[in-house]
Amino acid sequence: GDSVTQMEGPVTLSEEAFLTINCTYTATGYPSLFWYVQYPGEGLQLLLKATKADDKGSNKGFEATYRKETTSFHLEKGSVQVSDSAVYFCALIPSNDYKLSFGAGTTVTVRA
Amino acid sequence: DAGVIQSPRHEVTEMGQEVTLRCKPISGHNSLFWYRQTMMRGLELLIYFNNNVPIDDSGMPEDRFSAKMPNASFSTLKIQPSEPRDSAVYFCASSSSGRDIQYFGAGTRLSVL
Repeated sequence: GDSVTQMEGPVTLSEEAFLTINCTYTATGYPSLFWYVQYPGEGLQLLLKATKADDKGSNKGFEATYRKETTSFHLEKGSVQVSDSAVYFCALIPSNDYKLSFGAGTTVTVRA
Repeated sequence: DAGVIQSPRHEVTEMGQEVTLRCKPISGHNSLFWYRQTMMRGLELLIYFNNNVPIDDSGMPEDRFSAKMPNASFSTLKIQPSEPRDSAVYFCASSSSGRDIQYFGAGTRLSVL
């Protein structure tokens, strides 16, 4: 079935460092791709999305590009802040379905 | 909009007791999802409603779990009887359609002793 694989954490960075979280997917057709973020003690919030190949989603300084050729949707941020400390989930919805499939989540800690 | 509202935020109960979790989706959304999050299994979809009708309950772990959506603004997830292995964070999410962005509530952290 359709699935998402994301890099395992935890990831610990210093403030202003560059962040990359790798995400690859397995799916037929053209799924919609998402990054969700979960801050401590809270629910998941949509960070960004892309619905077709070569789309770039962006929000709060984060970016991810839908790469059909490499079946990837890597998340990047050029300069992280302490407030970016959270768990990040890559997810997809298949083109012919409604089920949101999540990766295992990557815990990111940013130190001052 | 207030977003998806779940109650209670925390629930501590004893094994064998009935537990009811509540969810109010975003007004106008016609799709509602219940998820369970644990360290071991991550996020699991339990059940999906569309227009108040259960479409897919294949993720409901066993007969002890049941979910209802009596109207467009309210849903419940009930566990009876509860067991310690049900301890998890339960999330409700809603979307304007089955394949659109899902908006999550803050979750209910359930501890079954």
